[in-house]
Amino acid sequence: KNEVEQSPQNLTAQEGEFITINCSYSVGISALHWLQQHPGGGIVSLFMLSSGKKKHGRLIATINIQEKHSSLHITASHPRDSAVYICAVRGLIQGAQKLVFGQGTRLTINP
Amino acid sequence: DVKVTQSSRYLVKRTGEKVFLECVQDMDHENMFWYRQDPGLGLRLIYFSYDVKMKEKGDIPEGYSVSREKKERFSLILESASTNQTSMYLCASSYSPYNEQFFGPGTRLTVL
Repeated sequence: KNEVEQSPQNLTAQEGEFITINCSYSVGISALHWLQQHPGGGIVSLFMLSSGKKKHGRLIATINIQEKHSSLHITASHPRDSAVYICAVRGLIQGAQKLVFGQGTRLTINP
Repeated sequence: DVKVTQSSRYLVKRTGEKVFLECVQDMDHENMFWYRQDPGLGLRLIYFSYDVKMKEKGDIPEGYSVSREKKERFSLILESASTNQTSMYLCASSYSPYNEQFFGPGTRLTVL
């Protein structure tokens, strides 16, 4: 079983829909990252959070440390949001300088 | 803005060749990372470096080595390329190990 599990693996929605991508992890963590990868390869960091909730534009990330779960929400989705979204966690002590990545969720927003 | 550049976007090499992938960052970051990304496996850490001439193995270092002679440059070396090293290679840098990482555009390497 992977340390970081994302769901769903693939998601297709219509423009304007509210999107939720989930990330569950099995180890204690010091931080969780959400990343975005557009076709062509480049990866951009969206959020780094260790508790609560963060918001940037139409993107919202939440984390529940007790339940070892995080969600990424996109409001009023747009075709330009089509990308792979990747969750990554940083351990507490051993290996804390390394990130462990989920396999990614491929999001497609149709106009 | 932080800029991380990689020497090639696409590279085709033959089995047994020595391959150099270079990564340069312009924000004086201490930490640099090399990952490979494969379908179904996600991103996996090959090596990272937290200072000049310092390196640590990641999760899949076999078949790779690295070099960090200058702070801004981190090179990944495939001593003798094999077909199972065909992959997307991504470099990243960060101010500290505990900050967000900034990624380069990636190099898609094909070994024939």
